[in-house]
Amino acid sequence: QVQLVQSGPEVKKPGASVKVSCKASDYTFDRYDIHWVRQAPGQGLEWMGWISPYNANSNYAQKFQDRVTMTTDTSTSTAYLELRGLRSDDTAVYYCAREAKLAVFFDYWGQGTLVTVSS
Amino acid sequence: EIVMTQSPATLSVSPGERATLSCRASQSVSSNLAWYQQKPGQAPRLLIYGASTRATGIPARFSGSGSETEFTLTISSLQSEDFVVYYCQHYHSWPPWTFGQGTKVEIK
Repeated sequence: QVQLVQSGPEVKKPGASVKVSCKASDYTFDRYDIHWVRQAPGQGLEWMGWISPYNANSNYAQKFQDRVTMTTDTSTSTAYLELRGLRSDDTAVYYCAREAKLAVFFDYWGQGTLVTVSS
Repeated sequence: EIVMTQSPATLSVSPGERATLSCRASQSVSSNLAWYQQKPGQAPRLLIYGASTRATGIPARFSGSGSETEFTLTISSLQSEDFVVYYCQHYHSWPPWTFGQGTKVEIK
């Protein structure tokens, strides 16, 4: 059973950084790209970017390009999202999602990590 | 960037009736369209991809149709667990892969 298990909730002050992890299991990690999607409270889904665990290629949404870094550790089958310069409007649930083999839709999702930015 | 617009924002339907949700793309996405279901406090779940192909384990009461810029998700006979939020997402050509703002299906 494919699983993506994310790290626990975080509370950060404005200007700080956060790093969220996403540990994959029961599939070959480097054969599927990982995407990150966030959801502000009561809002819709916002795609942030993706990374290939195979070759570390990545692509970020323009909105986040200056503040985000996505990495992977193939030895532990874990993907990471780092977001810097946190603002109150970064308060959201952050999801990792596995890209399907066929095309860029998302067949498995992590459970989500709530990041709260508050002074 | 392709903008995805879902309508209506909220759909009121009685249990056992049919629900029809719409998703419109600001430019053609061919059939590169997926639908997700999201229950409160949970991650989204893939329902449909390729505009009309049900994902593994998805009940037959869920069906998708459309192409280019106009898409529809139909739930043929609403069950209690179907009264949640649905999102469409395009994956045409290149990123960003954008989602619609969601349609909430509520009990009438």
